[in-house]
Amino acid sequence: GAGVSQSPRYKVAKRGQDVALRCDPISGHVSLFWYQQALGQGPEFLTYFQNEAQLDKSGLPSDRFFAERPEGSVSTLKIQRTQQEDSAVYLCASSLAGTGVYGYTFGSGTRLTVV
Amino acid sequence: DAKTTQPPSMDCAEGRAANLPCNHSTISGNEYVYWYRQIHSQGPQYIIHGLKNNETNEMASLIITEDRKSSTLILPHATLRDTAVYYCIVRSHFGNEKLTFGTGTRLTIIP
Repeated sequence: GAGVSQSPRYKVAKRGQDVALRCDPISGHVSLFWYQQALGQGPEFLTYFQNEAQLDKSGLPSDRFFAERPEGSVSTLKIQRTQQEDSAVYLCASSLAGTGVYGYTFGSGTRLTVV
Repeated sequence: DAKTTQPPSMDCAEGRAANLPCNHSTISGNEYVYWYRQIHSQGPQYIIHGLKNNETNEMASLIITEDRKSSTLILPHATLRDTAVYYCIVRSHFGNEKLTFGTGTRLTIIP
């Protein structure tokens, strides 16, 4: 597709439920990032893939958060046993070049609400 | 990556030039200045980036001071669709891949 696609667009989860958020990057883009954006704040880095390799996961807030990109294209961010503080918009971004020199393309995000 | 400082909010009249400042006094020699914007309910959108020379593209102009400690993003003829949060980010093109966002400037274009 022409852009980065994320699904679902909205997700409501009961506290303790597991969720899976999907990101379809632009075809051929090597780098893929996940960010978390709380209300009124700027996006915060979660994790980074180069092809299928997860090179940086320093931003994942706890071991309940897990991301994968098994074939170097589609990525899934999984959150286990969701808690209210996980409520946020989860953004995915991709770039063609490894260093993102010409900027990253972001998806519109998945808004997760934990009730 | 170096820290940036931006005003939390600004207003600009429709049709006028919007000038958004950013301070990055601790920027190092190999760090670029990037600007992104985020329109409500969308992901951030790349606008422009530069190292030390002024840059212009179809969206905006970027003016970087000679000492590189500050920069200004210029939207030459602001429209209502330019209402967004604008983020100034400094990063190198080597090693660290991620973008570090601050809280940005909320720009409101007034009809």
